[in-house]
Amino acid sequence: AQRVTQPEKLLSVFKGAPVELKCNYSYSGSPELFWYVQYSRQRLQLLLRHISRESIKGFTADLNKGETSFHLKKPFAQEEDSAMYYCALRGSGNTPLVFGKGTRLSVIA
Amino acid sequence: SQTIHQWPATLVQPVGSPLSLECTVEGTSNPNLYWYRQAAGRGLQLLFYSVGIGQISSEVPQNLSASRPQDRQFILSSKKLLLSDSGFYLCAWSLGLAGADTQYFGPGTRLTVL
Repeated sequence: AQRVTQPEKLLSVFKGAPVELKCNYSYSGSPELFWYVQYSRQRLQLLLRHISRESIKGFTADLNKGETSFHLKKPFAQEEDSAMYYCALRGSGNTPLVFGKGTRLSVIA
Repeated sequence: SQTIHQWPATLVQPVGSPLSLECTVEGTSNPNLYWYRQAAGRGLQLLFYSVGIGQISSEVPQNLSASRPQDRQFILSSKKLLLSDSGFYLCAWSLGLAGADTQYFGPGTRLTVL
């Protein structure tokens, strides 16, 4: 079974501090992992995906198959990073994404 | 460019009443379509998805149903709403490609069942 766990419901950090949003997954095959973000009054949208190995808005995420994790990191948090973040997994074939329960990030000035 | 629409934006319905939420996609053909419910503390729960007209997969057994009467139209329905059906309903689409298949979300419908 596919499962995504985000252990933190709410994470508060000060502006300029590093931030790490945790995501662990359960899947027997080779998954595709994503981070989606929902800013206030905006649509849920893709932030980044592991296969692209990209940095978006200063955020990066590395897939660690040994620890089955895909934590989202940013060295210096900004107030505009405050949002709801969802980690998502896609298994093999044409299957839908499975989302975690989300973590609300609050960046305090 | 592709766009996805949902309506209504908000809805207040009494318990036991029927429900119909509509989602349409423009600018693409044969998309995969999805219905999610976003509830506080429960995250994003996949309800239904469709890979083609008339093809519906149900992820969570409940009193909701979905239909896809046209290629780019996805409808979420209920014959009798329950209090527990309250939530924020999101429609999404994707191209259904293996690999980096991105899902694009609509603006959502806020449903309150009283």
